[in-house]
Amino acid sequence: DIQMTQSPSSLSASVGDRVTITCRASQSISSYLNWYQQKSGKAPNLLIYTASSLQSGVPSRFSGSGSGTDFTLTISSLQPEDFATYYCQQSYNTPRTFGQGTKVEIK
Amino acid sequence: QVQLQQWGAGLLKPSETLSLTCAVYGGSFIGYYWSWIRQPPGKGLEWIGEIHHGGSTNYNPSLKSRVTISIDTSKNQFSLRLSSVTAADTSMYYCARSTRGAWYYDWGQGTLVTVSS
Repeated sequence: DIQMTQSPSSLSASVGDRVTITCRASQSISSYLNWYQQKSGKAPNLLIYTASSLQSGVPSRFSGSGSGTDFTLTISSLQPEDFATYYCQQSYNTPRTFGQGTKVEIK
Repeated sequence: QVQLQQWGAGLLKPSETLSLTCAVYGGSFIGYYWSWIRQPPGKGLEWIGEIHHGGSTNYNPSLKSRVTISIDTSKNQFSLRLSSVTAADTSMYYCARSTRGAWYYDWGQGTLVTVSS
């Protein structure tokens, strides 16, 4: 299985801050990397697919980059509705695997 | 707008079989992959497996001996069966839709399944 490791596991930030979350794969996954946002009690919501493609309806303050083993999700200016947990997921092969999550909290 | 509506028993005893169904409304069933993903309370996401509309399946090797995912194209539904459950199977279970690219852009509302004697 491909292991996905996110860092940090949690972070505290203020509204308006630029936030960066990283995801590292245990082997090269090309650009087969997706990002989700999950709010408490809700299903995950797709933000970014294939490393850098913005899902329809997702605000442009979210962006993704990377290829191979190292990937980044950036929120350019954190908004109150962005406080949530973020997960990366590889779709390079099966079993599909997720990172352990990064919880973004209010400072 | 595609909607996934899921249902199934929420409380099971150890050794019983978990059974969940997900119905797809408002969109085509054809050409997509239909998956089950679970999340233990307070923890991360685990992919259980997927089925293509044509019936081919892929399962997580960690669960493969206990999992069956099936599809009923006449009803636009797909189902999950997980046998011999234990407390470790207590999770929120989600159904989800993807293309071959395997990013999940439609999700069911989730079903909390608790395994307890």
